[in-house]
Amino acid sequence: DVKVTQSSRYLVKRTGEKVFLECVQDMDHENMFWYRQDPGLGLRLIYFSYDVKMKEKGDIPEGYSVSREKKERFSLILESASTNQTSMYLCASSSRRREGTDTQYFGPGTRLTVL
Amino acid sequence: AQKITQTQPGMFVQEKEAVTLDCTYDTSDQSYGLFWYKQPSSGEMIFLIYQGSYDEQNATEGRYSLNFQKARKSANLVISASQLGDSAMYFCAMREGVNNNDMRFGAGTRLTVKP
Repeated sequence: DVKVTQSSRYLVKRTGEKVFLECVQDMDHENMFWYRQDPGLGLRLIYFSYDVKMKEKGDIPEGYSVSREKKERFSLILESASTNQTSMYLCASSSRRREGTDTQYFGPGTRLTVL
Repeated sequence: AQKITQTQPGMFVQEKEAVTLDCTYDTSDQSYGLFWYKQPSSGEMIFLIYQGSYDEQNATEGRYSLNFQKARKSANLVISASQLGDSAMYFCAMREGVNNNDMRFGAGTRLTVKP
């Protein structure tokens, strides 16, 4: 059974704090993704990584950074959390090949509240 | 420009009836993939069904079918015999490009199944 796990389901932080969101997958996938989900906006891509130590900006990278030191782990970092980063954060992974139904597999999400 | 449009923020359906969730997309690629995901209140995104742009037949997976109209650029999800457990957010997504790392999501439709 495929598995993507995220370190926390719920997180409450204060403005200005440094925040780490961790994601681990056990499917040996090359690609990993971080999205944020807001009502009425769907999922928006923050960053993705297609290999260890490689990263690419998505649609909304401002205020975020990422780290991928190991293939199975992809971290999202909020250097100085702000209230407009209150959101649901979803991690996903996929294999590199683009074949048919090869989809992205998602973790359970982290609901982050910044006070 | 919006790549994926879901025009129904919310839908209601009576248990055991069928429901159609709308999705239109915009792409200039000839080769692309269309996906539907379900997100229950637990937060996890669950892959439901896939349609490739070159697939001539509409995709089906159990009670889910995808009404693919390529010329209209629409990929509506049909759920037959609705169940209470179908109540969730539903997202349409499109994958473009040669790598399996570029997915765009719609804003979602919240489906409520009434007993």
